Amino acid sequence: ETGVTQTPRHLVMGMTNKKSLKCEQHLGHNAMYWYKQSAKKPLELMFVYSLEERVENNSVPSRFSPECPNSSHLFLHLHTLQPEDSALYLCASSQTTGKNQPQHFGDGTRLSIL
Amino acid sequence: TQLLEQSPQFLSIQEGENLTVYCNSSSVFSSLQWYRQEPGEGPVLLVTVVTGGEVKKLKRLTFQFGDARKDSSLHITAAQPGDTGLYLCAGNGSSNTGKLIFGQGTTLQVKP
Repeated sequence: ETGVTQTPRHLVMGMTNKKSLKCEQHLGHNAMYWYKQSAKKPLELMFVYSLEERVENNSVPSRFSPECPNSSHLFLHLHTLQPEDSALYLCASSQTTGKNQPQHFGDGTRLSIL
Repeated sequence: TQLLEQSPQFLSIQEGENLTVYCNSSSVFSSLQWYRQEPGEGPVLLVTVVTGGEVKKLKRLTFQFGDARKDSSLHITAAQPGDTGLYLCAGNGSSNTGKLIFGQGTTLQVKP
């Protein structure tokens, strides 16, 4: 399914680098999400955007900076990351942020911090 | 804090066997969703259960939502190698921001 596309698929960066993850959804949805998936831990919600407005920031360190320029695009800007930030970063979208809405996920960006 | 606990965490079975995966919480959820994630891909929604006691079937998969809406189960009949993957349950949190709380997942391997 190509409804939610994430780029790049893999990223290796040093702790002093600055990089960005990109997510694009072609489903006409109004809500977009960033999740972190680490080994042996549940998926952790990072940010929620509804109609380009951030509605949830789940106590995420400031070295992660999201940006939602329109309802189809979502970015995650990264700077001065730590080794423990190595993980799979998943983007998702849903029609709205209402309850019981199914979320459609991209295939993720596998991030490795050296 | 709302938490979802899945069991077992790992399951390796032979093709044709039956299995059940459990998703439990001490909190009430307005709904629970089940996703399957294959290596190198994102989770894909299988089903959403909303009403306490609800049972939904998807071919050989049967999903049940507990009467008190605190737990759910996934039963697979006659498992196939194509069922291999990570099964995730997720519940709607108490806020109205589409926040999903995920269990830690059950990794299922079905051997031919």
